[in-house]
Amino acid sequence: EAAVTQSPRNKVTVTGGNVTLSCRQTNSHNYMYWYRQDTGHGLRLIHYSYGAGNLQIGDVPDGYKATRTTQEDFFLLLELASPSQTSLYFCASSDVGTGGRNTLYFGAGTRLSVL
Amino acid sequence: AQSVTQPDARVTVSEGASLQLRCKYSYFGTPYLFWYVQYPRQGLQLLLKYYPGDPVVQGVNGFEAEFSKSNSSFHLRKASVHWSDWAVYFCAVSLDTNAYKVIFGKGTHLHVLP
Repeated sequence: EAAVTQSPRNKVTVTGGNVTLSCRQTNSHNYMYWYRQDTGHGLRLIHYSYGAGNLQIGDVPDGYKATRTTQEDFFLLLELASPSQTSLYFCASSDVGTGGRNTLYFGAGTRLSVL
Repeated sequence: AQSVTQPDARVTVSEGASLQLRCKYSYFGTPYLFWYVQYPRQGLQLLLKYYPGDPVVQGVNGFEAEFSKSNSSFHLRKASVHWSDWAVYFCAVSLDTNAYKVIFGKGTHLHVLP
């Protein structure tokens, strides 16, 4: 079964702080994603990648950087955290098939609070 | 623009009652549709998926959904709700032209009364 592991599960930082969220998948999937989940907005795509060294911009990228170091590892970086980035962050992976057959496998999430 | 609408932010049903969670999508191409479930303090899990073919698809735990092209809908149903179904349910569409792109609805919170 697909496995996506996120760390840490909870994180508290201060405004202007530097935060790195980690994600590792053991599914041998090509695609990895970072989403944020906020009440009233559902899930919104921040960044995604289709392989090591690749990065694509999602729908809400401002204030976030990401890096895909290997096929397994995808990191989300907040270099100057702001209170508006307080959210629940999910990493996901998929082996994107043809014609939109894109089943996502999610991690358990990281709850980030920026004070 | 492509979108997914879940008109009900919250649905409350009694245990043992039937359930329908509504989902409408807006997309002019071929939609690939999904329902995901998020149990408390967990990530999202796939409940069921629709690829073009039989409009009624079966999922886990007795859930099913029906695709309607004429209504642009993909409603989720269950004949008899269990207390363990208390969760948030997300409808999503994957685009045939941009396979990476998955658009989520805002989710429906299902509350189950004893």
